[in-house]
Formats: sequence, structure tokens, C-alpha cells
Amino acid sequence: QKEVEQDPGPLSVPEGAIVSLNCTYSNSAFQYFMWYRQYSRKGPELLMYTYSSGNKEDGRFTAQVDKSSKYISLFIRDSQPSDSATYLCATRTIGNEKLTFGTGTRLTIIP
Amino acid sequence: DVKVTQSSRYLVKRTGEKVFLECVQDMDHENMFWYRQDPGLGLRLIYFSYDVKMKEKGDIPEGYSVSREKKERFSLILESASTNQTSMYLCASSPQRGDTQYFGPGTRLTVL
Repeated sequence: QKEVEQDPGPLSVPEGAIVSLNCTYSNSAFQYFMWYRQYSRKGPELLMYTYSSGNKEDGRFTAQVDKSSKYISLFIRDSQPSDSATYLCATRTIGNEKLTFGTGTRLTIIP
Repeated sequence: DVKVTQSSRYLVKRTGEKVFLECVQDMDHENMFWYRQDPGLGLRLIYFSYDVKMKEKGDIPEGYSVSREKKERFSLILESASTNQTSMYLCASSPQRGDTQYFGPGTRLTVL
């Protein structure tokens, strides 16, 4: 079993819809949680970075961590065609440089 | 803005060749990382480095080595390329331990 599970999609939604992307993880020692966005033929770029449980909002993006159920979510409001990309969740423990990534979800926003 | 550059976007090599992938960051970051990205497997860490001349194995170091002679440059070496090393290779850097990692654009390597 992978330490971080992520549905690979693909996921297609109409422009303006709310998008929900999710990951589950198995290691309760994970404390830092990240979402990266990767456009085609580009490297991943950090979108959101949270520590422990709770919500974090940045513009149209909200990251949510529920440590009791080991569930990580990214919500995108008012989705735009420019949000079309692969979204990767990542996590790590305290004091460990190694990030553990999900496999990524490919998202397409249809104009 | 943080800039991480990789020497090639696309590379085609033959089985048995020695391959060098170069990564340079311009923000005086302490840490540098090499990943490979494959469909269905996600990103997997090959090697990372906390400092010049220092390296640590990641999850899949077999068949690879690294070199960090200068702080800004981290090289990944495939001693004898094999077809199962065909992949997207991504370099990343971070300022201090535990900080956000910034990625380069990637090198798509094909080994024939």
C-alpha cells in the first residue's frame, strides 16, 4: 500500500464549478501537507502549505487537512480553464526532508 | 523569484551511455534534490544534498550517483543508462531544512 493515495483522474469539470481534489495517507507521523500544481511539460509549483490539521485559504484555493481521518483536500472555487493541470499532494514528517507525493490528479476545466 | 534550471528539456541516449543531468539554482539554497516522475508512480526521490560535497540516498538510488561540488549546482549521473531509466527527471531546491521545495522544469530522458 502506498503511503499517500490519490485518485489519478482524469477529472473534467465545467468552468465556474467548485473542484474538490483529495488524498489519503497512512502514516500518522505526517505533519506537513502540501499541494503542488504541475502544468504540462513543466515542473511542479507549490500552491498551498499547511501544518497539522485545519483549513488554509488563499484566493480561490482552500486546503483542508483532517488528521483524524488522514484525509487531505484541495478546493478550487470559481474554476478557470487556466486551472487545468495535474495536482499533486505531498506530505512529510517533522525533521525529515523527504517529501512523499501522491501520484497526482489530472484536472481539466472545460470553458 | 526562485529559479531552478536544468541543463536540457529533452535528452535521448543509448543503453550503456554515461549520462549527466545538471541542475543549477540561483538563490543560495542549502538543499537540493533529484526526483524522477513516472505515470502511476508519482515523484520518487533519488538523492538529495544538504550541503556541498554532501549527499544522501533517497528511495530509489540504484543506478544513479550525484555530485555537488558547488552550492548552486547538483548533478545526477547515470553511470550506464538503461531503458528502465527512461523518465522525467526533476530537480528541486529549498533554502533550509524543512522549507518548501522549488522545482525546475524537468528533463525528459529517453534511453533507447
